[in-house]
Amino acid sequence: EVQLVESGGGLVQPGGSLRLSCSASGFIFSSYEMHWVRQAPGKGLEYVSAISGNGGSTYYADSVKGRFTISRDNSKNTLYLQMSSLRAEDTAVYYCVKFDSGFWGQGTLVTVSS
Amino acid sequence: QSVLTQPPSASGTPGQRVTMSCSGSSSNIGSNYVYWYQQLPGTAPKLLIRNNQRPSGVPDRFSGSKSGTSASLAISGLRSEDEADYYCAAWDDSLSAPVFGGGTKLTVL
Repeated sequence: EVQLVESGGGLVQPGGSLRLSCSASGFIFSSYEMHWVRQAPGKGLEYVSAISGNGGSTYYADSVKGRFTISRDNSKNTLYLQMSSLRAEDTAVYYCVKFDSGFWGQGTLVTVSS
Repeated sequence: QSVLTQPPSASGTPGQRVTMSCSGSSSNIGSNYVYWYQQLPGTAPKLLIRNNQRPSGVPDRFSGSKSGTSASLAISGLRSEDEADYYCAAWDDSLSAPVFGGGTKLTVL
């Protein structure tokens, strides 16, 4: 059974940093591209970032480019999202997604506020 | 502004059949699988349809179809527990990334 479990969310001040993690199980993690998608309170889904199975290719939405870094550790079956220079508009639930099979984690809430 | 276009709302009465649309382009819906998700308040999106097929456990009241650059989700025998937000998604070859619709809020009257 595919499982994706996010962690690392919390309250952070504007300009601060946070690292999200996503622990994956139930599939061959290194074989799949993985994604981060976020949802601001009361809003729709916004694509954030993606990384290839071997970590060699990455993609970022314009809204986070230069501030967020996606990475993965295939030996630990874990996906990361390092977020820096955080802004109020980054406040959202962040989901780890295995897009090809349509499987999402439960999400972790990031709140950027002073 | 979402790449895929969905009506913001839809409604129906219990037992009724409702449909909701998702409009895209040749680089996304026109050439790739369409995904439909149901999101209940406070929960993660749940996959309902992938490439017009239901994952195991999804009732056959839910069905998906695609024609050209548009897709539709149909729910038959509407139930109160179907009241939720519904999102469509597809891979976009031009962006090399998934794209989403803005969501349709379904109200069961």
